[in-house]
Amino acid sequence: DVKVTQSSRYLVKRTGEKVFLECVQDMDHENMFWYRQDPGLGLRLIYFSYDVKMKEKGDIPEGYSVSREKKERFSLILESASTNQTSMYLCASSRTSGRVDTGELFFGEGSRLTVL
Amino acid sequence: AQSVTQLGSHVSVSEGALVLLRCNYSSSVPPYLFWYVQYPNQGLQLLLKYTSAATLVKGINGFEAEFKKSETSFHLTKPSAHMSDAAEYFCAVSDGPNFGNEKLTFGTGTRLTIIP
Repeated sequence: DVKVTQSSRYLVKRTGEKVFLECVQDMDHENMFWYRQDPGLGLRLIYFSYDVKMKEKGDIPEGYSVSREKKERFSLILESASTNQTSMYLCASSRTSGRVDTGELFFGEGSRLTVL
Repeated sequence: AQSVTQLGSHVSVSEGALVLLRCNYSSSVPPYLFWYVQYPNQGLQLLLKYTSAATLVKGINGFEAEFKKSETSFHLTKPSAHMSDAAEYFCAVSDGPNFGNEKLTFGTGTRLTIIP
């Protein structure tokens, strides 16, 4: 069964702490994404990556960075957590476009982060 | 830039009644359109997608959607609601594979409640 695994379902951190959210996929997908989900705002793209060591900013990258050292792993980093980063974070992966399953994102179950 | 608008953040229907969730899109190029579903405490999963083939698209769990270019709409329907359909539904749009490794832009979501 294909899978996207996020390392932590629930995290509680304090303002100013550095936070790492890890995501691993076992489908050999080229593309990986980090979204945050907030009530009434839907999903907003933070960063994405089309290949190892490549990254591109999404719609709301401020306050975040990412790392993709291996194809299967995509990490989201909050250098100094703030209360407005309290949210649900969703990782997703997909195949490179042009194939029949283009556009289908496979999501992890999410990481709910609370920053106090 | 593409965008989608979901009309109605909350929709309630009786069990056995028609489900209609509305989505309108804005895109400067022929769009690829998607519906995703999120069950409580889970990530999103693909319900169905339109990729410029048949305008009536059938998905999983008895759902279908019709692409109407003249109305810029991609509404999701199901003839008879089931209790297990209670979830949040997201419409999404992308540029399609001709424009590189596409990323999806999501709507704000519609929470569907089924009344017994």
